Amino acid sequence: NAGVTQTPKFRILKIGQSMTLQCTQDMNHNYMYWYRQDPGMGLKLIYYSVGAGITDKGEVPNGYNVSRSTTEDFPLRLELAAPSQTSVYFCASSYSPALADYEQYFGPGTRLTVT
Amino acid sequence: AQTVTQSQPEMSVQEAETVTLSCTYDTSESDYYLFWYKQPPSRQMILVIRQEAYKQQNATENRFSVNFQKAAKSFSLKISDSQLGDAAMYFCAYRMANAGGTSYGKLTFGQGTILTVHP
Repeated sequence: NAGVTQTPKFRILKIGQSMTLQCTQDMNHNYMYWYRQDPGMGLKLIYYSVGAGITDKGEVPNGYNVSRSTTEDFPLRLELAAPSQTSVYFCASSYSPALADYEQYFGPGTRLTVT
Repeated sequence: AQTVTQSQPEMSVQEAETVTLSCTYDTSESDYYLFWYKQPPSRQMILVIRQEAYKQQNATENRFSVNFQKAAKSFSLKISDSQLGDAAMYFCAYRMANAGGTSYGKLTFGQGTILTVHP
C-alpha cells in the first residue's frame, strides 16, 4: 500500500511555463485535496474533489486547474507559471469527512520554484 | 470564516523535558474537530493527535496530550519526555464536523511552530 504518491519531488520552472503535478492514491478514497505551503506558513487549500468527475475550488485556486477522471488520480495543472507560485505542493486524500475517525493522508510534497 | 492562530513561531526544549505548543482558533460552529500535525524535515505531514469538540475529555496519544478549552477556543499540545525525533514543525488544524455543504472535510491550518529539541 503506497498511500499517496506525488511526482515530481522537485521542479524548477521558468516564468510562463506550464506543468502538471501528479497525485495518485491507492486507498480507494473518494476525497482528494491539493494544498500549497508557502515558506514559514501553514497549508492552504487550492482545489478539492469529492469523487471522480467532481472538483471545486478551495481558498487559493487562481492560476491552477484540476481534473479527476479516476478515483486514484488527481493532477494539478499550473498554466503560465508565476514567481508567486513558488511553493511546496501537497496532495492529500481521505474517506468521507462524515466518519468520526476521518483523517487526511498526505503525500510527500512537490517543491516547485518559478524563476 | 474559521481561523487558526499559532502565536509561537519557534519553541525549544531539552531532551526528556516537557513542552507545550499553543493554538487558538475562531469559529461559530459548535461541533468540529481539531488536529495537531507534525512536519519533520522530510516534509511528510503526520497526524499526531485529534480532538472532537463534543468530547470533553482531552485526547492523549502516548507522550502527546492536548489541553482543549472549548469556551476559550484554545487547543494546546503537550509533549512529555521530549525526544530528538520530536524536532519538527507542528501545525494546529481545524475542520467542521458537518461533512455536507461547503465543508467537504477542509482543513484550516495555523502558521506552524518550529520545535527544536536540544540533547
